[in-house]
Amino acid sequence: GAVVSQHPSWVICKSGTSVKIECRSLDFQATTMFWYRQFPKKSLMLMATSNEGSKATYEQGVEKDKFLINHASLTLSTLTVTSAHPEDSSFYICSAEGQGLFEAFFGQGTRLTVV
Amino acid sequence: GEDVEQSLFLSVREGDSSVINCTYTDSSSTYLYWYKQEPGAGLQLLTYIFSNMDMKQDQRLTVLLNKKDKHLSLRIADTQTGDSAIYFCAEIPMDSSYKLIFGSGTRLLVRP
Repeated sequence: GAVVSQHPSWVICKSGTSVKIECRSLDFQATTMFWYRQFPKKSLMLMATSNEGSKATYEQGVEKDKFLINHASLTLSTLTVTSAHPEDSSFYICSAEGQGLFEAFFGQGTRLTVV
Repeated sequence: GEDVEQSLFLSVREGDSSVINCTYTDSSSTYLYWYKQEPGAGLQLLTYIFSNMDMKQDQRLTVLLNKKDKHLSLRIADTQTGDSAIYFCAEIPMDSSYKLIFGSGTRLLVRP
């Protein structure tokens, strides 16, 4: 199956700093990428949908200025958590969908801990 | 609205069958999925079923779909300790542009 690589797999940062998470489709062109956040013992919540070359569509309640998404190419989308706070600590997962592919493929996830 | 519900926890003995249940609300959903999440990892697609099917079998996995009751189940035969994980059902409503709606996840614990 298609491969989606997410980096880093874990990161610890200080409160107030920004963190960038990358999501790459390795062997297909991802026309659409999705970013999810998973709270402990809870399901995945879709944060935003990004299409290559256009602005991301954010779900209700997700702060656009807080979670910056850039989908600059067909193989790369980035999520930047700006001015991170401890409540941003979570597990973030991306998924990518390509034209002609039946399913969305998920990255390995990034565990963010803000101290 | 879109809502997918699952029980939170299931414990079975190794070798027994596991049945994980899911209910969904959007009758327009065309595809329904089961994903597996192992600790600290992303999601792995286990199987899926089209909405015009009642059942799908894939090795140890059997998916049953009751459209009338909007009920989806995943049966794992001969459950192994390696099956311990969180299992998510998900649907794609007709008008969601491939936006997956996930259930809360069922944590399956397989006891030796």
